[in-house]
Amino acid sequence: DTGVSQDPRHKITKRGQNVTFRCDPISEHNRLYWYRQTLGQGPEFLTYFQNEAQLEKSRLLSDRFSAERPKGSFSTLEIQRTEQGDSAMYLCASRGWEQGSGNTIYFGEGSWLTVV
Amino acid sequence: DQQVKQNSPSLSVQEGRISILNCDYTNSMFDYFLWYKKYPAEGPTFLISISSIKDKNEDGRFTVFLNKSAKHLSLHIVPSQPGDSAVYFCAASEGSSNTGKLIFGQGTTLQVKP
Repeated sequence: DTGVSQDPRHKITKRGQNVTFRCDPISEHNRLYWYRQTLGQGPEFLTYFQNEAQLEKSRLLSDRFSAERPKGSFSTLEIQRTEQGDSAMYLCASRGWEQGSGNTIYFGEGSWLTVV
Repeated sequence: DQQVKQNSPSLSVQEGRISILNCDYTNSMFDYFLWYKKYPAEGPTFLISISSIKDKNEDGRFTVFLNKSAKHLSLHIVPSQPGDSAVYFCAASEGSSNTGKLIFGQGTTLQVKP
């Protein structure tokens, strides 16, 4: 499978605990995105990497959230001191430079977070 | 400020008939539009896209129409099949933005009845 891979698929955690999600983008895709989706809403942009550089962060990304892409390949999204409002699906997506791709980004299966 | 809006939360059609999903946007700088399909507990899957230099793009049973003056796009599915039952998201991006960031609508749940 050469698609975007996310791990874990599901995570249940107690309020106040830290959680970390991992994303492996499509091979050779230099752009990587994190989105969050809650029930009844479309995906909301969180942050964007071009190679290892984090170039944009949404206001949704509070100080408790940190994302990294240390070698320009996989990425991690960490949420510290989780709150119940953090419960959502966290989606990773990637995009390459292939000709004609426009702005098409390809999503992974998502990581469900439930904070209890 | 909801820049991309899907005003119909749900749509139900009979198998074999046409499904029309609508999307409106407010940002005139958007120049690339996409439709994604999402099944429960899965990530969105890219369906079809259209550049603002076109007013129609077709791929098999799926056609997207863009009306720039009305800031409106629609997705037509003909003929509709039960396997098309899913949530459909409209998304848009600004070409001038180097990020390729997409702004999504709230989604429309399509149910195709056998």
